[in-house]
Amino acid sequence: GEDVEQSLFLSVREGDSSVINCTYTDSSSTYLYWYKQEPGAGLQLLTYIFSNMDMKQDQRLTVLLNKKDKHLSLRIADTQTGDSAIYFCAESSSNDYKLSFGAGTTVTVRA
Amino acid sequence: DGGITQSPKYLFRKEGQNVTLSCEQNLNHDAMYWYRQDPGQGLRLIYYSQIVNDFQKGDIAEGYSVSREKKESFPLTVTSAQKNPTAFYLCASTVGGRREKLFFGSGTQLSVL
Repeated sequence: GEDVEQSLFLSVREGDSSVINCTYTDSSSTYLYWYKQEPGAGLQLLTYIFSNMDMKQDQRLTVLLNKKDKHLSLRIADTQTGDSAIYFCAESSSNDYKLSFGAGTTVTVRA
Repeated sequence: DGGITQSPKYLFRKEGQNVTLSCEQNLNHDAMYWYRQDPGQGLRLIYYSQIVNDFQKGDIAEGYSVSREKKESFPLTVTSAQKNPTAFYLCASTVGGRREKLFFGSGTQLSVL
């Protein structure tokens, strides 16, 4: 699959904003996703963005896409302890059924 | 409630043994997938199936086998040829072609005795 990279760890204070960054290499990426994984559980789709968009907002979540730089970010406003989890960035192209995942960013929310 | 059920949650394999992980969905989804998750790595695709009686190899199919005899079921067998099977295995499904609607099961942790 194509490369998707993201930093491995992020620590944030409760109530602050979290920003998780991701870069990808496939210029034909059509869909870009953010998934959340809590300990011992499967992945839950948080949000996704089509490559022809540059921003998507959904309640506390804001996704920004810079297609030129192949950079995707997820901002979580007013981070809560329940937001502690691993967050995966993923991408797929229109002619491929497969998703390529990053290694995941472990977000730890401290009081 | 509709969803994907993986069983067992924990599984132990002895040397030279084949083990089978179960994945069942009642979402009427066409496509099903198996991913392997290792600590500090992204999910890697093992096999996927877009329709009954058909499946394709993913990026790391060696040492694994699957079947898709029924739409709702996609079992994964970890064979003795897989020399490093310890990992968290995730099954997923989606309506054909709708990757933004990918649903995941809760996973099976496989360990070697």
